[in-house]
Amino acid sequence: QVQLQESGPGLVKPSGTLSLTCAVSGGSISSNYWWSWVRQPPGKGLEWVGQMYHTGITNFNPSLKSRVTISIDTSTNHFSLRLTSVTAADTAVYYCARAYGYSFQHWGQGTLVTVSS
Amino acid sequence: QSVLTQPPSVSAAPGQKVTISCSGSSSNIGSNSVSWYQQLPGTAPKVLIYENNNRPSGIPDRFSGSKSGSSATLGITELQTGDEADYYCGTWDNSLSAGVFGGGTKLTVL
Repeated sequence: QVQLQESGPGLVKPSGTLSLTCAVSGGSISSNYWWSWVRQPPGKGLEWVGQMYHTGITNFNPSLKSRVTISIDTSTNHFSLRLTSVTAADTAVYYCARAYGYSFQHWGQGTLVTVSS
Repeated sequence: QSVLTQPPSVSAAPGQKVTISCSGSSSNIGSNSVSWYQQLPGTAPKVLIYENNNRPSGIPDRFSGSKSGSSATLGITELQTGDEADYYCGTWDNSLSAGVFGGGTKLTVL
C-alpha cells in the first residue's frame, strides 16, 4: 500500500520561500501517476496547487503558477514543492497526494505551514 | 469562489439518506470524471468515489456517485454519526488546465 509523508519547516517568513518534500513508500515515483500538492487554509476548503508526472510534465494552479515549482527525485522516491514570495495567504495545511486520472487516491497526512515573522 | 459549487451544509437524521450536489460547467464536470472526498475532522481527505460512480475497495456501498451533464451528486444512505464530515467534489478543468474542487459541504447527522 502506497504511503506519502510530507516534511518541511512549519514556519516561513513573509517574502520567503516555502519548501516541502513528500516521501513516497510502497510504490515507485516513476510509475504512471500524477504527483500532486493540495493545500487547505485553516477553516477553509481544498485548493489544488499543482502536479508533476515522472516524465517531467507539470501543471499548476493559474493563481500560483508564477511562484510554484514541483520537482521529482527518482533516486530517493521523493517529490518536492517550492513556493516563493509567500504571504500570510499561503498559510495552510499542505498535502501531497498521488493522483490517477482526475482522482487523488492516496494522500499524506498533511503538514501545517504558517507564514509569519 | 470555487469553480465547482456545493451547498455549504446538509443535515439528516441517523438512518436517513442525504444527497450532496456539485455543479460545474462544460469545461470541467461536463468533460471530465468527478471524484468525491470525505474529510473527517483533523484528518486528510479520503477518496470515496472516483470516475463519477466507482468506489475504492473498503468504501461501503452506502456511498454512491452519479453525474449528469455538468453536475454530479454524492448519495449517502443509512446515515451514521461517523459520517459527519466535510465532503468535496473534484475534477479537472480543461479551460484552466488545472484541478478544481468544490467549496465543500459539511454533513451533520442530527
